[in-house]
Amino acid sequence: AQSVTQPDIHITVSEGASLELRCNYSYGATPYLFWYVQSPGQGLQLLLKYFSGDTLVQGIKGFEAEFKRSQSSFNLRKPSVHWSDAAEYFCAVGASDYKLSFGAGTTVTVRA
Amino acid sequence: DAGITQSPRHKVTETGTPVTLRCHQTENHRYMYWYRQDPGHGLRLIHYSYGVKDTDKGEVSDGYSVSRSKTEDFLLTLESATSSQTSVYFCAISGDRGGYTFGSGTRLTVV
Repeated sequence: AQSVTQPDIHITVSEGASLELRCNYSYGATPYLFWYVQSPGQGLQLLLKYFSGDTLVQGIKGFEAEFKRSQSSFNLRKPSVHWSDAAEYFCAVGASDYKLSFGAGTTVTVRA
Repeated sequence: DAGITQSPRHKVTETGTPVTLRCHQTENHRYMYWYRQDPGHGLRLIHYSYGVKDTDKGEVSDGYSVSRSKTEDFLLTLESATSSQTSVYFCAISGDRGGYTFGSGTRLTVV
Protein backbone atom coordinates (compact mmCIF):
# COMPACT_ATOMS: atom_id res chain seq x y z
CA ALA A 1 0.00 0.00 0.00
CA GLN A 2 1.14 3.51 -0.69
CA SER A 3 1.55 6.09 2.03
CA VAL A 4 3.13 9.45 2.72
CA THR A 5 4.72 10.83 5.87
CA GLN A 6 5.31 14.51 6.43
CA PRO A 7 7.37 14.57 9.62
CA ASP A 8 6.93 18.26 10.37
CA ILE A 9 3.46 19.35 11.45
CA HIS A 10 4.36 23.03 11.70
CA ILE A 11 7.33 25.09 10.53
CA THR A 12 7.98 28.75 11.25
CA VAL A 13 10.36 30.61 8.99
CA SER A 14 11.42 34.23 8.65
CA GLU A 15 10.58 36.10 5.50
CA GLY A 16 13.51 35.89 3.11
CA ALA A 17 14.88 32.73 4.68
CA SER A 18 15.02 29.38 2.95
CA LEU A 19 12.38 26.72 3.44
CA GLU A 20 12.54 22.94 3.20
CA LEU A 21 9.56 20.67 3.78
CA ARG A 22 10.14 16.97 4.17
CA CYS A 23 8.17 14.19 2.53
CA ASN A 24 8.82 10.47 2.79
CA TYR A 25 6.78 7.99 0.83
CA SER A 26 6.15 4.29 0.75
CA TYR A 27 5.43 2.78 -2.63
CA GLY A 28 6.38 -0.45 -4.33
CA ALA A 29 7.27 0.85 -7.76
CA THR A 30 8.32 4.10 -9.34
CA PRO A 31 5.99 6.64 -7.80
CA TYR A 32 4.25 9.67 -9.14
CA LEU A 33 4.86 12.42 -6.60
CA PHE A 34 3.14 15.74 -6.06
CA TRP A 35 3.22 18.77 -3.82
CA TYR A 36 0.09 20.81 -3.25
CA VAL A 37 -0.46 24.06 -1.37
CA GLN A 38 -3.60 25.14 0.42
CA SER A 39 -4.15 28.70 1.51
CA PRO A 40 -6.61 29.25 4.38
CA GLY A 41 -10.19 28.55 3.34
CA GLN A 42 -9.15 27.53 -0.15
CA GLY A 43 -8.85 24.38 -2.19
CA LEU A 44 -5.56 22.72 -3.03
CA GLN A 45 -3.32 23.98 -5.81
CA LEU A 46 -0.69 21.89 -7.55
CA LEU A 47 2.85 23.22 -6.97
CA LEU A 48 4.82 20.62 -8.87
CA LYS A 49 4.88 16.98 -9.90
CA TYR A 50 7.40 14.25 -10.60
CA PHE A 51 6.71 11.43 -13.02
CA SER A 52 10.13 10.43 -14.33
CA GLY A 53 13.37 11.86 -15.67
CA ASP A 54 15.27 14.65 -13.97
CA THR A 55 15.02 14.19 -10.23
CA LEU A 56 15.03 17.95 -9.56
CA VAL A 57 11.64 19.35 -10.44
CA GLN A 58 10.74 23.00 -10.77
CA GLY A 59 7.30 24.23 -9.89
CA ILE A 60 5.28 27.37 -9.59
CA LYS A 61 5.91 30.23 -7.14
CA GLY A 62 9.66 29.53 -7.05
CA PHE A 63 9.39 26.08 -5.47
CA GLU A 64 11.44 23.05 -6.38
CA ALA A 65 11.56 19.47 -5.15
CA GLU A 66 14.09 16.68 -5.40
CA PHE A 67 13.23 13.02 -5.78
CA LYS A 68 15.66 10.72 -3.98
CA ARG A 69 14.79 7.10 -4.59
CA SER A 70 17.39 5.78 -2.14
CA GLN A 71 15.83 7.78 0.67
CA SER A 72 12.21 7.47 -0.50
CA SER A 73 11.97 11.21 -0.20
CA PHE A 74 10.57 14.11 -2.18
CA ASN A 75 11.46 17.24 -0.24
CA LEU A 76 10.15 20.65 -1.22
CA ARG A 77 12.39 23.72 -1.13
CA LYS A 78 12.25 27.44 -1.70
CA PRO A 79 15.36 29.63 -1.46
CA SER A 80 13.63 32.73 -0.10
CA VAL A 81 10.12 32.70 1.32
CA HIS A 82 7.58 35.48 1.01
CA TRP A 83 4.80 36.26 3.47
CA SER A 84 2.34 34.91 0.88
CA ASP A 85 3.91 31.45 1.21
CA ALA A 86 2.21 31.00 4.57
CA ALA A 87 -0.10 28.05 3.93
CA GLU A 88 -0.48 24.32 4.41
CA TYR A 89 1.53 22.04 2.15
CA PHE A 90 0.65 18.50 1.22
CA CYS A 91 2.79 15.82 -0.35
CA ALA A 92 1.04 13.06 -2.33
CA VAL A 93 2.01 9.77 -3.97
CA GLY A 94 0.32 7.48 -6.46
CA ALA A 95 0.71 5.05 -9.32
CA SER A 96 -0.17 7.79 -11.73
CA ASP A 97 -2.38 10.74 -11.02
CA TYR A 98 -4.91 8.14 -9.99
CA LYS A 99 -5.98 7.51 -6.39
CA LEU A 100 -3.36 9.63 -4.71
CA SER A 101 -2.51 9.22 -1.05
CA PHE A 102 -1.79 12.42 0.84
CA GLY A 103 0.33 13.22 3.84
CA ALA A 104 -1.11 14.92 6.90
CA GLY A 105 0.30 18.26 5.80
CA THR A 106 2.81 20.81 7.05
CA THR A 107 1.66 24.25 8.11
CA VAL A 108 4.11 27.02 7.28
CA THR A 109 4.06 30.27 9.22
CA VAL A 110 6.12 33.19 7.89
CA ARG A 111 7.25 35.79 10.38
CA ALA A 112 8.28 39.28 9.37
CA ASP B 1 -11.32 25.98 -9.37
CA ALA B 2 -11.67 26.27 -13.08
CA GLY B 3 -13.52 23.29 -14.56
CA ILE B 4 -14.75 21.86 -11.26
CA THR B 5 -17.38 23.18 -8.90
CA GLN B 6 -18.78 21.90 -5.64
CA SER B 7 -22.13 22.67 -4.07
CA PRO B 8 -23.06 23.71 -1.53
CA ARG B 9 -20.02 25.55 -0.15
CA HIS B 10 -21.33 25.41 3.39
CA LYS B 11 -23.99 23.29 5.05
CA VAL B 12 -25.23 22.75 8.56
CA THR B 13 -27.41 19.73 9.11
CA GLU B 14 -28.85 17.77 11.98
CA THR B 15 -27.74 14.35 13.12
CA GLY B 16 -29.64 11.60 11.35
CA THR B 17 -30.60 13.58 8.27
CA PRO B 18 -29.48 12.65 4.77
CA VAL B 19 -27.10 15.01 2.98
CA THR B 20 -25.96 15.10 -0.64
CA LEU B 21 -22.95 16.99 -1.89
CA ARG B 22 -22.48 17.64 -5.58
CA CYS B 23 -19.38 17.83 -7.70
CA HIS B 24 -19.59 19.04 -11.28
CA GLN B 25 -16.77 19.08 -13.84
CA THR B 26 -16.49 20.50 -17.32
CA GLU B 27 -13.14 18.87 -18.17
CA ASN B 28 -14.53 15.50 -19.30
CA HIS B 29 -12.06 13.72 -17.04
CA ARG B 30 -12.58 10.05 -16.38
CA TYR B 31 -11.62 9.98 -12.73
CA MET B 32 -13.42 11.77 -9.95
CA TYR B 33 -12.80 11.57 -6.21
CA TRP B 34 -14.28 12.57 -2.89
CA TYR B 35 -11.89 13.29 -0.02
CA ARG B 36 -12.47 14.56 3.47
CA GLN B 37 -10.01 16.83 5.21
CA ASP B 38 -9.59 16.78 8.98
CA PRO B 39 -6.87 18.33 11.12
CA GLY B 40 -3.96 15.96 11.59
CA HIS B 41 -5.20 13.55 8.95
CA GLY B 42 -4.62 15.41 5.72
CA LEU B 43 -6.94 14.25 2.97
CA ARG B 44 -8.49 10.81 3.13
CA LEU B 45 -10.19 9.16 0.20
CA ILE B 46 -13.88 8.38 0.68
CA HIS B 47 -14.96 7.10 -2.73
CA TYR B 48 -13.80 7.46 -6.27
CA SER B 49 -15.14 6.90 -9.77
CA TYR B 50 -13.39 5.67 -12.89
CA GLY B 51 -16.31 6.16 -15.25
CA VAL B 52 -20.05 6.53 -15.46
CA LYS B 53 -21.63 4.14 -12.97
CA ASP B 54 -18.17 2.82 -12.05
CA THR B 55 -17.30 3.62 -8.46
CA ASP B 56 -15.29 2.11 -5.66
CA LYS B 57 -14.56 2.61 -1.99
CA GLY B 58 -11.68 4.50 -0.49
CA GLU B 59 -10.17 4.20 2.96
CA VAL B 60 -12.98 5.94 4.89
CA SER B 61 -16.13 4.94 3.02
CA ASP B 62 -18.32 3.80 5.93
CA GLY B 63 -21.46 5.93 6.15
CA TYR B 64 -21.05 7.34 2.64
CA SER B 65 -22.37 6.41 -0.77
CA VAL B 66 -21.75 7.88 -4.21
CA SER B 67 -23.31 7.95 -7.62
CA ARG B 68 -22.15 8.95 -11.06
CA SER B 69 -24.85 8.87 -13.71
CA LYS B 70 -23.09 11.34 -16.01
CA THR B 71 -19.44 12.00 -16.73
CA GLU B 72 -19.68 15.49 -15.33
CA ASP B 73 -21.44 14.82 -12.03
CA PHE B 74 -20.32 12.90 -8.96
CA LEU B 75 -22.58 12.92 -5.92
CA LEU B 76 -21.62 12.09 -2.36
CA THR B 77 -24.43 11.10 0.02
CA LEU B 78 -24.36 10.79 3.76
CA GLU B 79 -27.33 8.52 4.36
CA SER B 80 -27.72 9.50 8.02
CA ALA B 81 -25.32 12.22 9.06
CA THR B 82 -23.34 11.85 12.29
CA SER B 83 -21.19 14.35 14.18
CA SER B 84 -18.06 12.41 13.13
CA GLN B 85 -18.84 13.40 9.55
CA THR B 86 -18.35 17.07 10.32
CA SER B 87 -15.50 17.89 7.99
CA VAL B 88 -14.41 19.71 4.88
CA TYR B 89 -15.15 17.68 1.76
CA PHE B 90 -13.15 18.08 -1.42
CA CYS B 91 -13.93 16.78 -4.85
CA ALA B 92 -11.09 16.24 -7.30
CA ILE B 93 -10.69 15.18 -10.91
CA SER B 94 -7.79 13.68 -12.82
CA GLY B 95 -7.10 12.16 -16.18
CA ASP B 96 -4.36 13.91 -18.08
CA ARG B 97 -1.31 13.01 -15.94
CA GLY B 98 -1.30 16.50 -14.59
CA GLY B 99 -2.27 15.55 -11.09
CA TYR B 100 -5.52 16.40 -9.43
CA THR B 101 -7.62 19.48 -9.87
CA PHE B 102 -9.55 20.23 -6.71
CA GLY B 103 -12.83 21.93 -6.09
CA SER B 104 -13.14 24.69 -3.53
CA GLY B 105 -14.54 22.38 -0.88
CA THR B 106 -17.74 21.99 1.12
CA ARG B 107 -17.67 22.72 4.82
CA LEU B 108 -20.22 20.40 6.45
CA THR B 109 -21.25 20.73 10.06
CA VAL B 110 -23.44 18.07 11.66
CA VAL B 111 -25.12 19.26 14.86
